Amino acid sequence: QKEVEQNSGPLSVPEGAIASLNCTYSDRVSQSFFWYRQYSGKSPELIMSIYSNGDKEDGRFTAQLNKASQYVSLLIRDSQPSDSATYLCAPEVGGSYIPTFGRGTSLIVHP
Amino acid sequence: DVKVTQSSRYLVKRTGEKVFLECVQDMDHENMFWYRQDPGLGLRLIYFSYDVKMKEKGDIPEGYSVSREKKERFSLILESASTNQTSMYLCASSLRGTPNEKLFFGSGTQLSVL
Repeated sequence: QKEVEQNSGPLSVPEGAIASLNCTYSDRVSQSFFWYRQYSGKSPELIMSIYSNGDKEDGRFTAQLNKASQYVSLLIRDSQPSDSATYLCAPEVGGSYIPTFGRGTSLIVHP
Repeated sequence: DVKVTQSSRYLVKRTGEKVFLECVQDMDHENMFWYRQDPGLGLRLIYFSYDVKMKEKGDIPEGYSVSREKKERFSLILESASTNQTSMYLCASSLRGTPNEKLFFGSGTQLSVL
């Protein structure tokens, strides 16, 4: 079984701060990496995908990937209370394009 | 927008019953998935399917089977429900053949087995 490790949290940050969510994975063959957001009582929804080493920015979100270190992160700038959710890291199982989900990090943004 | 519809939001069954969870997607996606989500354990893949009449085991297939007779419909079957199958079940679908295989999830079925 491929391992995906995330700190379960909760990670608590003040409104306007940068939230940093981290994820390590064991499958060296993984090429595609996804971040899903899941609000309480709702289904996950994709917010970021990244395939190459380095940074990828989309609005207030930045995904960072380091394949050599088997590490992927998500930064949320100017955090808002509406960002409070569980964030699921999901690298794809090597070559299959099927994501394996981490257990998620709970983020709380307080006013 | 893609719509993935799960037939029931809440379901209560008794131990030993045969349970059918239905999932339908309306975007002609090739891939369909069944996950279960439990507190502290995250999302775990039960079965998936790349095409009609095709199925592959995921990480936790024991106690489950699936059926895909039509492209848009993917059913999860609990042959003899047990209390340890009490969980949130999530169906998802995606396009095949690209690296950007975004999963679209249904709203989930909370199954309680008594």
